[in-house]
Amino acid sequence: DAGITQSPRHKVTETGTPVTLRCHQTENHRYMYWYRQDPGHGLRLIHYSYGVKDTDKGEVSDGYSVSRSKTEDFLLTLESATSSQTSVYFCAIMGGNTDTQYFGPGTRLTVL
Amino acid sequence: DAKTTQPPSMDCAEGRAANLPCNHSTISGNEYVYWYRQIHSQGPQYIIHGLKNNETNEMASLIITEDRKSSTLILPHATLRDTAVYYCIVRGKNAGNMLTFGGGTRLMVKP
Repeated sequence: DAGITQSPRHKVTETGTPVTLRCHQTENHRYMYWYRQDPGHGLRLIHYSYGVKDTDKGEVSDGYSVSRSKTEDFLLTLESATSSQTSVYFCAIMGGNTDTQYFGPGTRLTVL
Repeated sequence: DAKTTQPPSMDCAEGRAANLPCNHSTISGNEYVYWYRQIHSQGPQYIIHGLKNNETNEMASLIITEDRKSSTLILPHATLRDTAVYYCIVRGKNAGNMLTFGGGTRLMVKP
């Protein structure tokens, strides 16, 4: 399995509080992604990064920001969490000599 | 990227081959077909991908029709642990190499 970890794995927070999710990789891959998955839906891309300090928006980026200050870490921040951001968040990485994305185990976020 | 169409659900008997179809009639010449699966609430797991030739690895085989408008993922001897949602994704060289997930096929392997 690709060396990807996500933290925390579960989090419950209140509306209006800031939340940061972390994705950490040990593969030194260039690309990193954040997706969200809601019940009955496939994954939807939030943001991605194509290098240190290089990021771009995905399909559902409103309300989210990201940062990548070093190759191995990609942070997803909800500046002021809302109930609509209750979801399961997956990180993915891609790089090396392959165009295949590999996913982390996910973070289940509940915003009350 | 081309859109895909998959049946919402399928059943398969344990030990038999599971054949999961996918239609991608608008696929263009430089787009690959990728298959992932998601077991319960785990992260999606890569299975296989191909461009136009049939592909096989330790997990599955991918059969792509000659006109590339459809493909079939084959799990040769399905086990209960293969119960999952299977996603067929067509992806070209878009900015960021993003994957677009549809609804997938929920495969239930039954004893």
